[in-house]
Order: sequence, then structure tokens, then C-alpha cells
Amino acid sequence: QVQLQESGPGLVKPSETLSLICTVSSGSISPYYWSWVRQPPGKGLEWIAYIHSSGRTNYNPSLKSRVIISVDTSRNQFSLALISVTTADTAVYYCARGYSSTREFELDYWGQGTLVTVSS
Amino acid sequence: QSALTQPASVSGSLGQSIAISCTGTSSDVGAYNHVSWYQQHSGKVPKLIIYDVTERPSGVSTRFSGSKSGNTASLTISGLQAEDEADYHCGSYTTISTYVFGAGTTVTIL
Repeated sequence: QVQLQESGPGLVKPSETLSLICTVSSGSISPYYWSWVRQPPGKGLEWIAYIHSSGRTNYNPSLKSRVIISVDTSRNQFSLALISVTTADTAVYYCARGYSSTREFELDYWGQGTLVTVSS
Repeated sequence: QSALTQPASVSGSLGQSIAISCTGTSSDVGAYNHVSWYQQHSGKVPKLIIYDVTERPSGVSTRFSGSKSGNTASLTISGLQAEDEADYHCGSYTTISTYVFGAGTTVTIL
């Protein structure tokens, strides 16, 4: 059973960079698509970006200018950086896997999520 | 890209059937048969229950079914059970190769 675990600071100051890592265990990071999804408190889901194990990326247009996503296949990890954060970026951040090697957006395995609060 | 439109809440009695709508545009829901639904119990992680409009992943109850007409997709839950009380989120591919979710619908058992 594939397991995903997000890690990173739970508190980030406005204008700083939010950085998260997702570690994949009990399974290979190849050859799948790996996404970041966030959920503001009490609100719906928002897809942020995905990266394929090959390094191919795709971003939500509304966040594209502030997001960097990368993968480290040797460590079975992928990461998210969101720059110049504001309080509107406060959310639970999930990492998740595409349902099969050809599925980008149908997400079957999810991390437990990590709450990131943007506050001074 | 704008979020897909879902009703904020839907309720039903045990054993009933309910339907949740998910309305988009010709640039997302109406463009492809790539609509998915996720179930999220309170404080829990989303779970994929429908993909490609009508397909169920292995292990998902047959009480969940999906359909689509034009720019609106629907999730039907048949024989409503207590454990179906949760939030349901729809999502769709878009014509610019990205993904958009709805705001989510809370299902309440009366």
C-alpha cells in the first residue's frame, strides 16, 4: 500500500516562501503523476500542480507565477514551493498520486495533509 | 479557471437516493468525459469514488454512480446509508490541460 507523507513548516510569514516535501513509501515514485492539492479551512479543494516522475510539470494558471514543483526520484520525494504567500494561502496542503501511470488528475493515494498557516 | 458549481448541501433519509450536481462550462465538464468525484469525511482525506464520469475504482460501492449531460455532471448515491454523510467534491479536466474542482457539497442524513 503506497503511503505519502507531507512535511514542512506549519507557520509561514506573509511574503515568505512556503516549502513542503512529500515522501512516498511502500511504492516507487516512477512512473506516476504526483500532485499538490490544497483546501482552505471550511472550503473546497484546489489543484495546485503536478509533476511526473520524468520531471514534466503542469500548474494551475492562477498560481503558476508563484509555484515551483520538483521531484527527487532517488529519495522518492517531490516538493512544492509557493513564493510570496499571503493569508489567502492558509490551507491544508495534500500531496497525492495519479490513479495509474497515465492518469494525471484522478488521485487515488493521498497524504494525510498538513495545515500551513500564513501569519505574522 | 473558475471553480465548478455544486450545491452547498443535499440531504436525504436512510435508504433514499440523492443526486449532487456539478456544473461547469464547455471548457471543462462539457469538453471531456473526465469528471471525477471524491468523498471526504469530516477531518479525513479525500477518497476517489468516481472517475471518467461513470467509472468506479476497485472497492467503491456500486451505490455510487455518475452521469453527465452537457456541462453538468451528477453523482447519485442510492440506498443512502449513515456512512455516506460526508463532503463530496467534483473535479474536471479543462481544455487548457489543467484541473478544476467544485466547491464541495455536504451530504446530510436526515
